[in-house]
Amino acid sequence: AQSVTQLDSQVPVFEEAPVELRCNYSSSVSVYLFWYVQYPNQGLQLLLKYLSGSTLVKGINGFEAEFNKSQTSFHLRKPSVHISDTAEYFCAVRGSDMRFGAGTRLTVKP
Amino acid sequence: IAGITQAPTSQILAAGRRMTLRCTQDMRHNAMYWYRQDLGLGLRLIHYSNTAGTTGKGEVPDGYSVSRANTDDFPLTLASAVPSQTSVYFCASRVQLAKNIQYFGAGTRLSVL
Repeated sequence: AQSVTQLDSQVPVFEEAPVELRCNYSSSVSVYLFWYVQYPNQGLQLLLKYLSGSTLVKGINGFEAEFNKSQTSFHLRKPSVHISDTAEYFCAVRGSDMRFGAGTRLTVKP
Repeated sequence: IAGITQAPTSQILAAGRRMTLRCTQDMRHNAMYWYRQDLGLGLRLIHYSNTAGTTGKGEVPDGYSVSRANTDDFPLTLASAVPSQTSVYFCASRVQLAKNIQYFGAGTRLSVL
């Protein structure tokens, strides 16, 4: 089975600042990697995914993530955040089954 | 609008009562899933179904049962609710050929007292 570790439970940042949400995984098989976003009182929405090919993947709302196989990481980044980016972000890995991280709460302050 | 519908959106339940959470999708997805979301633990898989007529146990199946009589519906039943089942429950579905992307419902917030 796989495991996912999101290294920060909460990340507060000011508006227009850059942000990085960290995700590390472990797996004995090849994996697909995902980031989901959850806005308050809503379900999860797919932000971006890595399936194969280029290790830098771009998603919706200006987010991007880089798959680093040697470091088993899939960190999420955005160069300039907005208030509307305030949400819970989940990293997920699919190998033999799907596993989610515990989540990182991103709070963007004005 | 196509998607996944969960009902109810929230429920307060007395311990020992039976409860069924409903999940319906109109996207004709083969696979469906039930997760519970708890603070600090992320989402944990309760049960899944790869296709109509089949179900399987996930990471935390105890105290829950599911059925998949048809493609669209995947109800989750708590036969005798306990306070530790207080959580937010999410149903998800996936097309087998869609590169493992799961689509989620809006969730059911359940409180067992």
